[in-house]
Amino acid sequence: LAKTTQPISMDSYEGQEVNITCSHNNIATNDYITWYQQFPSQGPRFIIQGYKTKVTNEVASLFIPADRKSSTLSLPRVSLSDTAVYYCLVAPTPGQKVTFGTGTKLQVIP
Amino acid sequence: NAGVTQTPKFRVLKTGQSMTLLCAQDMNHEYMYWYRQDPGMGLRLIHYSVGEGTTAKGEVPDGYNVSRLKKQNFLLGLESAAPSQTSVYFCASSYLLSYEQYFGPGTRLTVT
Repeated sequence: LAKTTQPISMDSYEGQEVNITCSHNNIATNDYITWYQQFPSQGPRFIIQGYKTKVTNEVASLFIPADRKSSTLSLPRVSLSDTAVYYCLVAPTPGQKVTFGTGTKLQVIP
Repeated sequence: NAGVTQTPKFRVLKTGQSMTLLCAQDMNHEYMYWYRQDPGMGLRLIHYSVGEGTTAKGEVPDGYNVSRLKKQNFLLGLESAAPSQTSVYFCASSYLLSYEQYFGPGTRLTVT
């Protein structure tokens, strides 16, 4: 399993764009990158997944450089409700072992 | 659809007691997972299943057993509970070949 490294915490003001970077230096050729969001006392919620370049959905964008050794989750114009822990996961195949790591705790400030 | 449900929501056990946590999903998902989350930590995979009748060990399987006799249910058993198993337990499920896992609300277990 590829090891991931994320900042422990980040603060941002409401309305700003937030970028959370995840390092995965030993990512394998067939690994996909997935991001989850977790609110207190709730289970994680899937945000986005990607393999390379850029992926965008209604919630976030995911940027993956050509070497794929890192990825950046971008949240546009955050609000207080985006305060949560964000996890980066790397896994080769669905239905296999995955490691959530400790995640990045994002605090959005009014 | 109820999605992923977990029973019970809370439980207090004494050391040495046994219990079973039930996870049920109504989305016809192939894959199911059991995780534990300790305070301030990420989720750690206990066991998982890629289909009815199959189970596999995750990152921290010791002290737990699982069964998937029906596609929609995934049971997690603790045969002899220990204080180190105090945690929040999350169940999740996903479609075949999908990275998107759907999580249940969690079971908060305390072992005294």
